[in-house]
Amino acid sequence: GQNIDQPTEMTATEGAIVQINCTYQTSGFNGLFWYQQHAGEAPTFLSYNVLDGLEEKGRFSSFLSRSKGYSYLLLKELQMKDSASYLCAVRERSWGKLQFGAGTQVVVTP
Amino acid sequence: GAVVSQHPSRVICKSGTSVKIECRSLDFQATTMFWYRQFPKQSLMLMATSNEGSKATYEQGVEKDKFLINHASLTLSTLTVTSAHPEDSSFYICSARGTGLAGGYSYNEQFFGPGTRLTVL
Repeated sequence: GQNIDQPTEMTATEGAIVQINCTYQTSGFNGLFWYQQHAGEAPTFLSYNVLDGLEEKGRFSSFLSRSKGYSYLLLKELQMKDSASYLCAVRERSWGKLQFGAGTQVVVTP
Repeated sequence: GAVVSQHPSRVICKSGTSVKIECRSLDFQATTMFWYRQFPKQSLMLMATSNEGSKATYEQGVEKDKFLINHASLTLSTLTVTSAHPEDSSFYICSARGTGLAGGYSYNEQFFGPGTRLTVL
């Protein structure tokens, strides 16, 4: 099976930076995904990492260390609309299914 | 591109009835569709994986006779919750993965539908 751990909730102020960590233990690895999910809506894709290092996409960046089983999602210049749940998901093999972590609820305050 | 729709978006039914949820890929061929269930403040739990033209593969603990999945075409999969009970009330989300996608979809990304909120009274 897989264990995917991420914090339950994080709070930050508008304009700040927040880093959401995700650790995983899997028998195989073929990519790590980050999704954003607003309440009552479906997840939307944010980023994908399969090799070690940092992937930057606008205000969002994602980092992966395969040897440590660790990833983080960095949200910069936080906006109120960034208040949402952020889901870390791991795929064990190519074309395989995704296993999701429990999600991190980010609350952005004025 | 890569749009997935679900219908209905919200359904309320009486206990004991059956409910069908449709998931459609609108601009690509979905060779694989996934069905998830999400309870409040919890993460997505994969229920089953369906490949076009073959039987669905159910996750452990998911009753295949209760949650009927049909993936008869490359653009449509249906989930039927049979004899629904209040404990089946949940947010059901489908996702699709496939071919014919334009752009940089080189990592076998899944595209999610908007979800269906099922309430069983």
